[in-house]
Amino acid sequence: QKEVEQDPGPLSVPEGAIVSLNCTYSNSAFQYFMWYRQYSRKGPELLMYTYSSGNKEDGRFTAQVDKSSKYISLFIRDSQPSDSATYLCAMNQGGKLIFGQGTELSVKP
Amino acid sequence: EAQVTQNPRYLITVTGKKLTVTCSQNMNHEYMSWYRQDPGLGLRQIYYSMNVEVTDKGDVPEGYKVSRKEKRNFPLILESPSPNQTSLYFCASSSPGTGENEQFFGPGTRLTVL
Repeated sequence: QKEVEQDPGPLSVPEGAIVSLNCTYSNSAFQYFMWYRQYSRKGPELLMYTYSSGNKEDGRFTAQVDKSSKYISLFIRDSQPSDSATYLCAMNQGGKLIFGQGTELSVKP
Repeated sequence: EAQVTQNPRYLITVTGKKLTVTCSQNMNHEYMSWYRQDPGLGLRQIYYSMNVEVTDKGDVPEGYKVSRKEKRNFPLILESPSPNQTSLYFCASSSPGTGENEQFFGPGTRLTVL
């Protein structure tokens, strides 16, 4: 079993939809939870991070962590075609990042 | 501009021909790392370095070597490349001050080994 599991998609939604991206993990020692966004032919870039259970909001993006269920989510409200990318969850283990497989998202105009 | 650079961006080579992929960062970061990205497997760490002359294995180090002689550079060496090392490679750097969470990635190097 992988330490971090993420549905690879692909996920296709119409513009304006609410998108939910999810990851589960098995290691309760993970302290930081991150979401990276990767556009085609580019390196990943940090989108959001949090270190506690609960919600963290940044504009149209909300990161949610449930440590008791070992489950994290990223919600995108009013999705835009410019949100089309691969989204990777990542978790910190003593300075080392463990990534999920990434979910490919396509937002259609 | 703060950035991580990698060279070359694209490389096609043959089995057994030694190659080096360079990585350089201009942010004075202590921590640097190499990943490979493969479909369905996500990003997997190859090697990382906490500082100059300090390197350690990641999850998939077999067939790779690294060195960290200067803070800004972290080259990845494939002494005898094989076809299973065909992949997309990313270098990343971060500073403990911002938390190891926020790693800054280079643009990637697409390697094909025939």
